[in-house]
Amino acid sequence: AAGVIQSPRHLIKEKRETATLKCYPIPRHDTVYWYQQGPGQDPQFLISFYEKMQSDKGSIPDRFSAQQFSDYHSELNMSSLELGDSALYFCASSLDRSSGNTIYFGEGSWLTVV
Amino acid sequence: GDSVTQMEGPVTLSEEAFLTINCTYTATGYPSLFWYVQYPGEGLQLLLKATKADDKGSNKGFEATYRKETTSFHLEKGSVQVSDSAVYFCALSDRRSSNTGKLIFGQGTTLQVKP
Repeated sequence: AAGVIQSPRHLIKEKRETATLKCYPIPRHDTVYWYQQGPGQDPQFLISFYEKMQSDKGSIPDRFSAQQFSDYHSELNMSSLELGDSALYFCASSLDRSSGNTIYFGEGSWLTVV
Repeated sequence: GDSVTQMEGPVTLSEEAFLTINCTYTATGYPSLFWYVQYPGEGLQLLLKATKADDKGSNKGFEATYRKETTSFHLEKGSVQVSDSAVYFCALSDRRSSNTGKLIFGQGTTLQVKP
């Protein structure tokens, strides 16, 4: 079965640079979520989209932005990178926003800021 | 706001031992509850879920029962294997507090199983 695809899997950036992460949700899923997981931490919700519209916002820095495109893939743009942005970034998708519906996660993108 | 609290780790067990990882939650509505597992260097995989009180989720020998009266969703397995070594996250999704159904995670519990 198709899963959530994230790219790149790993990237290394310098401070103050910009990074873009891509996410391809499971086909026909209408909701996309982005999470950030710092070393040894639990995943923190950043932002979500339902049918290409932003639906919820969590602890996402102003330096970060995201969007969902017409083909339902999503991109997370991170500018003016800081050392503290080094983390594992997950994209996830679900078919329906109801709380009982399962959210499926991608393998994650490891961002290292040096 | 909604929150999830898990027992602190790491939890170290011998193979074939009984496992319990405690999880309690606080929610304004009637959340759905989940356990996710993260193997070293990998993403989050759904282990099991329960969507209403007294539901029992089960998968791969793991079980958890949604206890509304104690606001708990403890994870259990009768006989752990070395391959169960991972980080386990308890999570909730509450549509009353978030119409997107986003997950709120506990802090994770590391399980290490020794041969």
